[in-house]
Amino acid sequence: DQQVKQNSPSLSVQEGRISILNCDYTNSMFDYFLWYKKYPAEGPTFLISISSIKDKNEDGRFTVFLNKSAKHLSLHIVPSQPGDSAVYFCAASAYQAGTALIFGKGTTLSVSS
Amino acid sequence: DTGVSQNPRHKITKRGQNVTFRCDPISEHNRLYWYRQTLGQGPEFLTYFQNEAQLEKSRLLSDRFSAERPKGSFSTLEIQRTEQGDSAMYLCASSLGRMMNTEAFFGQGTRLTVV
Repeated sequence: DQQVKQNSPSLSVQEGRISILNCDYTNSMFDYFLWYKKYPAEGPTFLISISSIKDKNEDGRFTVFLNKSAKHLSLHIVPSQPGDSAVYFCAASAYQAGTALIFGKGTTLSVSS
Repeated sequence: DTGVSQNPRHKITKRGQNVTFRCDPISEHNRLYWYRQTLGQGPEFLTYFQNEAQLEKSRLLSDRFSAERPKGSFSTLEIQRTEQGDSAMYLCASSLGRMMNTEAFFGQGTRLTVV
């Protein structure tokens, strides 16, 4: 039973345009959400996070939006750059309950120049 | 500090053999996690430690798997009597267990191939 779902295995975007990566979750206990980026042969790298008390968090070109009622979050990358091409993982935790991160299967983003 | 370090980077072993992996976390981090990743999947949680205490274990962690974190520093993950289904990337991560700051920093992983 997947608690964190990334339903789009891949996404292709042109350089300069917006990339929108989506993530849905089922566990209402989750209160902290993170996005990780992964290049081949490397471990995942933390990108941006959001707690359940917020609905938006922004860091440079990256913005994460959280819709708690829909149990949905999204990562926006504007403008997209070729170096953003990687696998993006959504992760969630029930921090107050002390659980570890649960990851989605990932979305492969390809940004073409 | 250069981040989370995992050794070895690659391990090929014959089915039935035992293997042990090591993880050195970021020095001030009190939480340490083990994950497993197979092709086309996201990292799957195996177990985690807060200091030297093992606080949570996944159902994925069969009794052939054991993890330790003596003295709350480095950790080892041992797999006994390896099976071909154990072939995967084993990832270690660490974090500071502060309120609303649970970003986990990952190592580069140990790729295990069981032949």
